[in-house]
Amino acid sequence: DQQVKQNSPSLSVQEGRISILNCDYTNSMFDYFLWYKKYPAEGPTFLISISSIKDKNEDGRFTVFLNKSAKHLSLHIVPSQPGDSAVYFCAANLNQAGTALIFGKGTTLSVSS
Amino acid sequence: KAGVTQTPRYLIKTRGQQVTLSCSPISGHRSVSWYQQTPGQGLQFLFEYFSETQRNKGNFPGRFSGRQFSNSRSEMNVSTLELGDSALYLCASSLGSTGETQYFGPGTRLLVL
Repeated sequence: DQQVKQNSPSLSVQEGRISILNCDYTNSMFDYFLWYKKYPAEGPTFLISISSIKDKNEDGRFTVFLNKSAKHLSLHIVPSQPGDSAVYFCAANLNQAGTALIFGKGTTLSVSS
Repeated sequence: KAGVTQTPRYLIKTRGQQVTLSCSPISGHRSVSWYQQTPGQGLQFLFEYFSETQRNKGNFPGRFSGRQFSNSRSEMNVSTLELGDSALYLCASSLGSTGETQYFGPGTRLLVL
C-alpha cells in the first residue's frame, strides 16, 4: 500500500503562472517531508523540506505547505519557468535517524513558454 | 563541496551474473542510502549504512547486499541477476542524524539481458 501518493501524474503550466504539485500521505508518524526534482538520467535534486512542526516553508520561488490534519502537502512554484520542467517527487520519513525516504510516484511538470 | 558520485554510470550484465556498484558520499557525510528506481515501482529504499553498519533495510531479497568502508564510501552488490533488476540505482548521502536531508548521486543505470 502506497504511504505517499502523488495522484496527478502530470501537470502543464504556462511560464509565469503558478505550479501547484500535491502530495498525500497515510502514515501519521511521518515527521519530515521533502520535495525533489529529477531530470531524466540524473539523480533527484533536493528542493525544499518541511518539518511536521511547521505548516509552511519558503525558499525563493518554492513554497511547501503542510496540512497535518488532512495529511496533505503541496509545493508551489511561483513564477514557473521552462527550466522547472522535470519530474517532482514528494518524500517523507520518520523522525528517526537512518530511516528510509518513502517516495511518491512523481508528477511530471511541463512549463511552456 | 563535491557532490555524491557513483560509478559506473552505465552497466550491462546478463542474467545470473553479479554486479558491484560504488558510491562516494559528500565529504563529511557518514550515512549512505541506496534506492532502486524502476518505471513500475518508482523509487524504493534498499538499505542504509552508517559508520560501516547497516542501520536500516528495505524489502528486497538477500541477493541485494551492501557494505560501507571506514571512509564512508559504500558499495552495493547484486548477485544472480534477474531481468527485473534492470533499474536506475541511486545512492544518497547525509550526515546521518535525525531529519537530515539526503543528497543523491547521478545513479548507475543497470541493464540485465
